[in-house]
Amino acid sequence: LAKTTQPISMDSYEGQEVNITCSHNNIATNDYITWYQQFPSQGPRFIIQGYKTKVTNEVASLFIPADRKSSTLSLPRVSLSDTAVYYCLVGGGSSNTGKLIFGQGTTLQVKP
Amino acid sequence: SQTIHQWPATLVQPVGSPLSLECTVEGTSNPNLYWYRQAAGRGLQLLFYSVGIGQISSEVPQNLSASRPQDRQFILSSKKLLLSDSGFYLCAWSPGPEQYFGPGTRLTVT
Repeated sequence: LAKTTQPISMDSYEGQEVNITCSHNNIATNDYITWYQQFPSQGPRFIIQGYKTKVTNEVASLFIPADRKSSTLSLPRVSLSDTAVYYCLVGGGSSNTGKLIFGQGTTLQVKP
Repeated sequence: SQTIHQWPATLVQPVGSPLSLECTVEGTSNPNLYWYRQAAGRGLQLLFYSVGIGQISSEVPQNLSASRPQDRQFILSSKKLLLSDSGFYLCAWSPGPEQYFGPGTRLTVT
C-alpha cells in the first residue's frame, strides 16, 4: 500500500480557503485517493475521493496532477466547525481488498 | 441507505477480563469489514479485515481476535485484556475504494 505524507498541522482563519497537500510517490495504478475528516471521539467521515484530475462535491475539491504522486484537498471558506484531523489515504484498488493504512493526518485548527 | 452500528459505546474492563465488541451493517450485502484501533492522539491502526463470512485477515499480532459469523456482523474479541488494549475501536465497511465508519467504542482497561 502506498505511503502518504502530509503536514502534521495547519492553522487557518474563518472564511479562508484551506489547501492540504498530500504526497504519495508510490501510488499504484489501481489506487484511489481518498480524504477523511475526523472529529474527537468520532469515526472518520468520508469527504471526497478521486482517481485523477479534479473532483468536486458539496464539501470540498480534490486536485490530482497527471502523475498522481500528490493530491490537494481544498476546503472553501472554512468555519470553526471544520477544525478536525484530515487524513489522506491511497489504496482501495481491487488488488488489496480495500485495505487502507491511516497515517497521522493533518490537524487543522480554524481560528475566529 | 446503509448504516453501521457498534456497541457498546463505552466500556471499562479490568485487566485479564474478556472482551467482545460487535459491529453490524445494514442495507448492504457482502461488504468488506474492518476493525481499527486508535490510541489517544494517534492515527488509526488497522487490526483485522474481512472480505466474507469466516474470512479474517490479521494485520497486527496481538491478543485480539476477530470473527465474522454472519455476512453483516463483525466481532472483535479478547480472552484476557491488557492495559495496552485501551483505545477507541472503530468498525468500518466498504462497498468499494472508500470506507464508512461506525460510531466507535471507547475501551478503558483498568
